[in-house]
Amino acid sequence: DAGVIQSPRHEVTEMGQEVTLRCKPISGHDYLFWYRQTMMRGLELLIYFNNNVPIDDSGMPEDRFSAKMPNASFSTLKIQPSEPRDSAVYFCASRRQGGELFFGEGSRLTVL
Amino acid sequence: AQTVTQSQPEMSVQEAETVTLSCTYDTSESNYYLFWYKQPPSRQMILVIRQEAYKQQNATENRFSVNFQKAAKSFSLKISDSQLGDTAMYFCALIVFNKFYFGSGTKLNVKP
Repeated sequence: DAGVIQSPRHEVTEMGQEVTLRCKPISGHDYLFWYRQTMMRGLELLIYFNNNVPIDDSGMPEDRFSAKMPNASFSTLKIQPSEPRDSAVYFCASRRQGGELFFGEGSRLTVL
Repeated sequence: AQTVTQSQPEMSVQEAETVTLSCTYDTSESNYYLFWYKQPPSRQMILVIRQEAYKQQNATENRFSVNFQKAAKSFSLKISDSQLGDTAMYFCALIVFNKFYFGSGTKLNVKP
């Protein structure tokens, strides 16, 4: 397995711009999670999908954030418009039912 | 509600010595899992060890072992014969209904 693949690894943008983070989960995994990591708040679950369907998006901060999973091999997390307080490392992770959570290498977002 | 508490923000240990990282959790569910993840400076989250709540026997993985005290809701990680490569952030995680709840992490420094 190639592991969970995220892009971009680093993104620097200006306030107000749209940001799209991408994730390819491990093949065969039916759960996909988006986490945000900051020094102040640690690892926060934003949203998770099961079989491409969003199950729990209660962690999504506000309407500026949206996530999609159009098929089993691809998911996006979009922030529009971005704000400096969105600066963080965003992790995508996937797992099989009952299995461990495999993380991608994260996307470090800096909003100026 | 589920909570995970790691009360040691930072710890240090000499190479080859043993160190124990603490974790307590709270859940009203009877079916859950507990994991320890490691995050080295590379940022990649790596599974260290897992424990199913229904198993009384403490999990062990090479130099890593846990002390699972279900009644006390405690799940500590012991690292024996510490190595420089063990330097990382360590996160305790509680898994309930497919959701992973992470503690705030303990930064472990292994000194030569």
